[in-house]
Amino acid sequence: DQQVKQNSPSLSVQEGRISILNCDYTNSMFDYFLWYKKYPAEGPTFLISISSIKDKNEDGRFTVFLNKSAKHLSLHIVPSQPGDSAVYFCAATGSARQLTFGSGTQLTVLP
Amino acid sequence: DTGVSQDPRHKITKRGQNVTFRCDPISEHNRLYWYRQTLGQGPEFLTYFQNEAQLEKSRLLSDRFSAERPKGSFSTLEIQRTEQGDSAMYLCAGSRGGNQPQHFGDGTRLSIL
Repeated sequence: DQQVKQNSPSLSVQEGRISILNCDYTNSMFDYFLWYKKYPAEGPTFLISISSIKDKNEDGRFTVFLNKSAKHLSLHIVPSQPGDSAVYFCAATGSARQLTFGSGTQLTVLP
Repeated sequence: DTGVSQDPRHKITKRGQNVTFRCDPISEHNRLYWYRQTLGQGPEFLTYFQNEAQLEKSRLLSDRFSAERPKGSFSTLEIQRTEQGDSAMYLCAGSRGGNQPQHFGDGTRLSIL
C-alpha cells in the first residue's frame, strides 16, 4: 500500500528551464510534506517543506505547491541547473513524525 | 554537512552473522530515526527515539533487529542472524522534533554474501 507515490521515475529538462516534479498521497492524516534531494553514495538532503495549512512555500529557486483537495504536491525548480541533477524524493508525515517516502524521480538537467 | 555521521559506510558479511551499525547525530537532535532503503525505492521507516526512549517500531523491524540510544546521544542498530533480504542501505536521521526536518547521514550499505 503506497501512501506516497511519485509516478515519474525520471525527468529530463534543459538547463535554464523549469523542472516540475510531482507527488500524490492517499493518507488524509498527513499534515506536513517535504522534498529531499539525493546524490549517489550520499544520504537524502532536505530541500524544502510545506505544512498542510499552506498551499505554497518558496525558497530561492525552489517552490513547493500543495493541493490538499487533490492530495497532490509538486516541486518547481527554476531556473534548472546541471547541479540539480539528482534523485528527488517526496515525503509526508503525520503526528508520529516518521516520514513516508515516495519512490523518487531521477532529474537530469541537460547543459 | 548535516552533522549526522554513520559508521561503517559499508559492511559485507556472510549470511547468519550479526552486524551492528552506529549513528552519531548532533547534540540538538533529540529525535533519532532509522530507515532502510533498497534499490529503486524510497527510504522506509524502521524505528525512532525521543532522547533515549524508543517510541515506535515498524512492522519491518523483525525480532532479529534491535536498536538502542543510550543516554540519548548516539544510536546503534543491530541485526542478528543476517539474511539475504537484509541487504540494503540503512539510514539514520536526526531532528530537533516538532515540524523540524529530519537530517540524514550518508548511510551504511549492508551486503549479505
